[in-house]
Amino acid sequence: EVQLVESGGGLVQPGGSLRLSCAGFGFSFSDHYMDWVRQAPGKGLEWVGRSRNKANSYTTEYAASVKGRFTISRDDSKKSMYLQMNSLKTEDTAVYYCTRGKLGNYIVFDIWGQGTTVTVSS
Amino acid sequence: IRMTQSPSSLSASVGDRVTITCRASQGIRNDLSWYQQKPGKAPKLLIYAASNLESGVPSRFSGSESGIDFTLTISSLQPEDSATYYCLQDYNYPLTFGGGTKVEIK
Repeated sequence: EVQLVESGGGLVQPGGSLRLSCAGFGFSFSDHYMDWVRQAPGKGLEWVGRSRNKANSYTTEYAASVKGRFTISRDDSKKSMYLQMNSLKTEDTAVYYCTRGKLGNYIVFDIWGQGTTVTVSS
Repeated sequence: IRMTQSPSSLSASVGDRVTITCRASQGIRNDLSWYQQKPGKAPKLLIYAASNLESGVPSRFSGSESGIDFTLTISSLQPEDSATYYCLQDYNYPLTFGGGTKVEIK
């Protein structure tokens, strides 16, 4: 079964750090772009960032709201992607979803994980 | 790119035709997708490239475009379609979602 499983969420104080993980199952992980999307409580969806695939040198893109604080990395040998979050703010409180980019000309999010909750609070 | 989605909510009866619109602040070709999210669940891809139905999605869902205006249509609303719907532009970075449309069943 094709699926994504996130882990690593939790409660952290403002200014702290947290590392989220996303494991992929049932597909060729290295072929795909992978993204993080978050959703603050009661709010809409917000794109966080992207890791391109091996063919595109694993380059990354970030939303302005997290650039310089968050870093996306991946280890294709472990079929995993990571989100290192530093200098966390209360406004980073959200459910964080890992998503898979669809193969082909349109890299949309065809598979989503169940989400992991990050709470930034003192 | 700002995606303005309307309406923010709607209530309709089973069997009704429902239309949701996203307007882009500039041209985005057809780089637009639609997602359905039910409470407490992850979103699900419905439509990509403005009008392509994702595999496994019921044919009552369809998408269309006219310039910078994009439309998601549910031809005959079903009880299981109660959810929030989002559009997403992937024309350029940062990728941006519409604000969402909550669809309720009367």
